[in-house]
Amino acid sequence: DIQMTQSPSSLSASVGDRVTITCRASQGIRDDLGWYQQKPGKAPKRLIYGASTLQSGVPSRFSGSGSGTEFTLTISSLQPEDFATYYCLQHKSYPPTFGGGTKVEIK
Amino acid sequence: EVQLVESGGGLVKPGGSLRLSCAASGFSFSRYSMTWVRQAPGKGLEWVSSISSSSSHIYYADSVKGRFTVSRDNAKNSLYLQMNSLRAEDTGVYYCASPPDYGDVDYWGQGTLVTVSS
Repeated sequence: DIQMTQSPSSLSASVGDRVTITCRASQGIRDDLGWYQQKPGKAPKRLIYGASTLQSGVPSRFSGSGSGTEFTLTISSLQPEDFATYYCLQHKSYPPTFGGGTKVEIK
Repeated sequence: EVQLVESGGGLVKPGGSLRLSCAASGFSFSRYSMTWVRQAPGKGLEWVSSISSSSSHIYYADSVKGRFTVSRDNAKNSLYLQMNSLRAEDTGVYYCASPPDYGDVDYWGQGTLVTVSS
C-alpha cells in the first residue's frame, strides 16, 4: 500500500497568513492526488484534484503543487472560514490512502 | 442538485450486522463508480470500499475484507454496504462519495453514524 505522510499534523496561524501543508508519498503517484477540507460535523470537500487543479467554486487563494512523491497545499492568505482540517488523498493505486490530516487553528 | 443521502446507521453489538444505504439523485448514478469512506470519532479519513459503475470491479480495505460487501442497484440509484461481524473499531461516520478520479466531480453524502458497542 502507498503511505501518505502529511505534515504538520497541526498548526496555528493568523488571518492573512500564508499556510503550507505537505504530503509525501511512499512511492511515486504521478499527480493522482487530491486535497480535501473538512469542518467539524461536515463531509469532506475537495479543494484540489490532479495535484494542482482547483476544484470549481474553490477560492483562488488555495493552490496545489507537486508530482511524484512530494505535494504541497498552499493557502495564500488565510481567511476565517479556512480554519478546518485538511487531508491529502492518493488514488494512483488501490487502496486509496489519505494523509493523517492537518488541523489549522486560530493563533 | 446532486444529493447523496446515507441511511441505516445505528447502534449494534459486536458481532452484529448493519446494512447502509446511499440514495443518489441529481446525476447519472449508473455511469459512476462509487466509494465508501469512514471516519472514526476524532480520527482521520479511511477509504473502505469502491464499486465500479457496472459492479464488475469491487475493492475493499484489508480492515473490512471478508466482513463487508458493497453493492449497488442502478435502477434504484442506490449504493449499499452490508457490514457483518462488526467490531468496536468499525465505529464511525460512514460517507458515500464519488471516487476521486473523475476530474472535477466531487460528491459526498452527509454521513451516517455506526456505533459498535455492547
